[in-house]
Amino acid sequence: AQTIHQWPVAEIKAVGSPLSLGCTIKGKSSPNLYWYWQATGGTLQQLFYSITVGQVESVVQLNLSASRPKDDQFILSTEKLLLSHSGFYLCAWSGGQANTEVFFGKGTRLTVV
Amino acid sequence: QQKVQQSPESLIVPEGGMASLNCTSSDRNVDYFWWYRQHSGKSPKMLMSIFSNGEKEEGRFTVHLNKASLHTSLHIRDSQPSDSALYLCAASKQGGRALIFGTGTTVSVSP
Repeated sequence: AQTIHQWPVAEIKAVGSPLSLGCTIKGKSSPNLYWYWQATGGTLQQLFYSITVGQVESVVQLNLSASRPKDDQFILSTEKLLLSHSGFYLCAWSGGQANTEVFFGKGTRLTVV
Repeated sequence: QQKVQQSPESLIVPEGGMASLNCTSSDRNVDYFWWYRQHSGKSPKMLMSIFSNGEKEEGRFTVHLNKASLHTSLHIRDSQPSDSALYLCAASKQGGRALIFGTGTTVSVSP
């Protein structure tokens, strides 16, 4: 069975500080990987998309960057946090075909103060 | 502009009642619709998906799809307090980048 692990579970960070969030997918080779962001009670906004190691597409500009250093790992980061970065960050994966289910990790709750 | 619109924004349903949620895509290229449920503080989990015209039933949940109008609806019968959650509709298409989510409907089931 496939598993997705996100870290950390929660973070409280100061404005202007750096951030690194990560996720690892086990049991699935060459997954499509995604980062989503969700404001409290809001919709899911897709941030980044990756279909293979080393290739990441940006969907929206939020002063964030993403990298896929390994087939099973996806990293979200920024050098300087803004208050607007607060929210719920979700890593997700799907199979390589179109129109397949997307599976989410448990998420990271980020509070920027 | 949000390409997937959901209504209503929120819904209060008595326990045992029926909840009806709506979702429409403005992108005519979508093939598939998905319904996800997200309990407070948790990650979304897929409830049902549909790509053919008509109706699909799984337990207390029924999904309808009208491909001509790109409208889907989710109906929850015999609503339970555990059904209280944010319901997110999503659409996908061939060549698309995963799922585009709607604005969500918050369902509250009152005992």
